[in-house]
Amino acid sequence: DQQVKQNSPSLSVQEGRISILNCDYTNSMFDYFLWYKKYPAEGPTFLISISSIKDKNEDGRFTVFLNKSAKHLSLHIVPSQPGDSAVYFCAASEQGGSEKLVFGKGTKLTVNP
Amino acid sequence: NAGVTQTPKFRVLKTGQSMTLLCAQDMNHEYMYWYRQDPGMGLRLIHYSVGEGTTAKGEVPDGYNVSRLKKQNFLLGLESAAPSQTSVYFCASKVGGTGTQYFGPGTRLLVL
Repeated sequence: DQQVKQNSPSLSVQEGRISILNCDYTNSMFDYFLWYKKYPAEGPTFLISISSIKDKNEDGRFTVFLNKSAKHLSLHIVPSQPGDSAVYFCAASEQGGSEKLVFGKGTKLTVNP
Repeated sequence: NAGVTQTPKFRVLKTGQSMTLLCAQDMNHEYMYWYRQDPGMGLRLIHYSVGEGTTAKGEVPDGYNVSRLKKQNFLLGLESAAPSQTSVYFCASKVGGTGTQYFGPGTRLLVL
């Protein structure tokens, strides 16, 4: 049973527009959520995180929104840039991020110039 | 400060051969992890360690063994490689508690 779901395998947007990547989870014990970005032939790199005590966290062009009642989070990138083209993984954990992360399957974002 | 490094970067094995993947981190992190990434499957946790001398099973541990004899190193072993173990393997580490996991560049393994 997949606990973290990214239902869109790919997303294509124009440079300068908003990119919205979505993630759903089923485990109500998850209380810490992260987004990782991965370029081809590289390891994932941490992008942004959010604790369940918040509903929004912002870092520059990146904002993560958490809707606990819907068990849904989203990553907004504004404005999108060609260098943002990568695979984005949503991850979640229990107990504030201690020990294990559960990852979604990823969404490949392509930002067209 | 090299962060998390993985050795080797690429390896081809024949079915039944054994090998060890090495992960090293120079950040004095307590926690270390081994994941595998397969097309369309995301990252799946194989084994992890919450400190020197400790190991625990993750989501897909079968066919793999690990050891954490030194705090900075986490070894992943395949005793008898199978084609199903063809994958990209990532190591990660974190300081502990709610810390963020930092990933290595990956090891691409092909088992023929």
